[in-house]
Amino acid sequence: DGGITQSPKYLFRKEGQNVTLSCEQNLNHDAMYWYRQDPGQGLRLIYYSQIVNDFQKGDIAEGYSVSREKKESFPLTVTSAQKNPTAFYLCASSIGRGRDEQFFGPGTRLTVL
Amino acid sequence: DAKTTQPTSMDCAEGRAANLPCNHSTISGNEYVYWYRQIHSQGPQYIIHGLKNNETNEMASLIITEDRKSSTLILPHATLRDTAVYYCIVRVRNSGGSNYKLTFGKGTLLTVNP
Repeated sequence: DGGITQSPKYLFRKEGQNVTLSCEQNLNHDAMYWYRQDPGQGLRLIYYSQIVNDFQKGDIAEGYSVSREKKESFPLTVTSAQKNPTAFYLCASSIGRGRDEQFFGPGTRLTVL
Repeated sequence: DAKTTQPTSMDCAEGRAANLPCNHSTISGNEYVYWYRQIHSQGPQYIIHGLKNNETNEMASLIITEDRKSSTLILPHATLRDTAVYYCIVRVRNSGGSNYKLTFGKGTLLTVNP
């Protein structure tokens, strides 16, 4: 089955620790995205990548970092510099090349204690 | 991207058509209307998009008014599994650069009742 996977679904970390969220897709999509969603709110873009080895900051990139070493993978690291890291994190991908409907993974709910 | 206005919530009886409105009075000529939905605690799901013609796929139909200032998403036979928040998004297609993001507002919570 083709799709986007995020793991784990629930993640707990202590304050001050960095944590990396996984996002993998086997859809052969060029573009990948990370969004954050807080309770009762819409999605906010953290980072996006249009192609391997390239990525751009979104609206709320502070305290986050990403890498795009492989087309299939776009991991997100939530660093200790992120002031309010507890949130629902969503990864998405799109085929690019003029077709930009985005397909989302199931999300990771991060709780920082 | 143009701003959209949607009702906060709607109810629909199972098996009936659900008609979800969206106002986008400031839409520009090169902006498309996209619809996504998000079931509780899951990632959003793409439903449909259109520019000015009505569109239909296996999930829904999209009706866009002639002046393009509003649209309606139609779920022809709503089921309990269609209970979700539905987002109407207006954006330029193929715009590249920083316009890759999808700007999700609050959306409409559709509750399908048995």
